[in-house]
Amino acid sequence: ETGVTQSPTHLIKTRGQQVTLRCSSQSGHNTVSWYQQALGQGPQFIFQYYREEENGRGNFPPRFSGLQFPNYSSELNVNALELDDSALYLCASSLGGPGVSSAGYTFGSGTRLTVV
Amino acid sequence: GENVEQHPSTLSVQEGDSAVIKCTYSDSASNYFPWYKQELGKGPQLIIDIRSNVGEKKDQRIAVTLNKTAKHFSLHITETQPEDSAVYFCAASRGTYKYIFGTGTRLKVLA
Repeated sequence: ETGVTQSPTHLIKTRGQQVTLRCSSQSGHNTVSWYQQALGQGPQFIFQYYREEENGRGNFPPRFSGLQFPNYSSELNVNALELDDSALYLCASSLGGPGVSSAGYTFGSGTRLTVV
Repeated sequence: GENVEQHPSTLSVQEGDSAVIKCTYSDSASNYFPWYKQELGKGPQLIIDIRSNVGEKKDQRIAVTLNKTAKHFSLHITETQPEDSAVYFCAASRGTYKYIFGTGTRLKVLA
């Protein structure tokens, strides 16, 4: 059983550019959540996708957007990058849906994004 | 708004001693409380979790207690080892929906 894999592991972008981060969910998981973790802080919820639909969003502007594909892999897109977007971006997969009791996320190792 | 406070921010213990990390949550509808360990350069790893219908859960050297009335939950690590050194995060959630994480505790186990 494979875990959650994220790519790339590190990325350097210039302010104003756009970036796409990718995530492959753990086998059997149908829900993916994205988190932003600034240095020395706890992860902050960006949004969650369940069966290709956005299932909730945190306090992030619309330039943060996502996609979930039929195979449950996912992308996080960030437009018009700002210096404060520099962070570790974490993808987490889980099994969700009606009738499913709460269960822990499985996190990937993250993508370290640096905006210069 | 929803908030999870975590204390202490840093904790140093001698190898073999116990470590306790405490969290307080604000959302009374929270029903799931996981604890994650994050090592340098890695994503958070689930180490133990507890649901709102349980007051205590233990897994070998690790235990978690939950006081729903006070909205407190705590992580207890006994017989600490150097490999326990990491950053620990508590979180609160309503089921599988978004987690609200604490700010983390950097645990150092001194040999």
